[in-house]
Amino acid sequence: SQQGEEDPQALSIQEGENATMNCSYKTSINNLQWYRQNSGRGLVHLILIRSNEREKHSGRLRVTLDTSKKSSSLLITASRAADTASYFCAPGGMEYGNKLVFGAGTILRVKS
Amino acid sequence: DAGITQSPRYKITETGRQVTLMCHQTWSHSYMFWYRQDLGHGLRLIYYSAAADITDKGEVPDGYVVSRSKTENFPLTLESATRSQTSVYFCASSDGGNYGYTFGSGTRLTVV
Repeated sequence: SQQGEEDPQALSIQEGENATMNCSYKTSINNLQWYRQNSGRGLVHLILIRSNEREKHSGRLRVTLDTSKKSSSLLITASRAADTASYFCAPGGMEYGNKLVFGAGTILRVKS
Repeated sequence: DAGITQSPRYKITETGRQVTLMCHQTWSHSYMFWYRQDLGHGLRLIYYSAAADITDKGEVPDGYVVSRSKTENFPLTLESATRSQTSVYFCASSDGGNYGYTFGSGTRLTVV
């Protein structure tokens, strides 16, 4: 399968807490991307990490990549109710034919 | 406005009818994609295009037809709609390589 697999399937936390989502994939990558989808909306690109990078930050988001374990994690710090959404990872690159295949995602609920 | 637009936003059609979903992007991105999203299945790739006049099948192409005569447009046609094609359809575009996708707002299609 070319898709990333997110874990857990669902996550419920209190506002202010950190949220960690994990992603595993099967073949070599050029990059791995994370997306957010608010209910009823299109996906929004959050961050792209290249295969030669180990960590990347964007605001309250921190993404790590371990190519030896074929895994990535997305950390959202100091979560807010507005972070409530589904989060998807997608491995990318030539092995994937420059197309992204999405898994089922992680549903994050942030309670205020 | 610059961006990627899908039309219509909502569509109800009858079984057996032909229906076309439109997708238009203003960035001259090389790659364009069509996904469908159903509860329990995440996003599934229907068709994609690497450039004008170049299209290829994704995971679930049966019952769909695409064309790309111009870089900015990538219409998706359901030749004879079936109830199983009731779904939310998302169009996306990308420059390829190490760049993220930009998604449209989606078309919610109901086949009755």
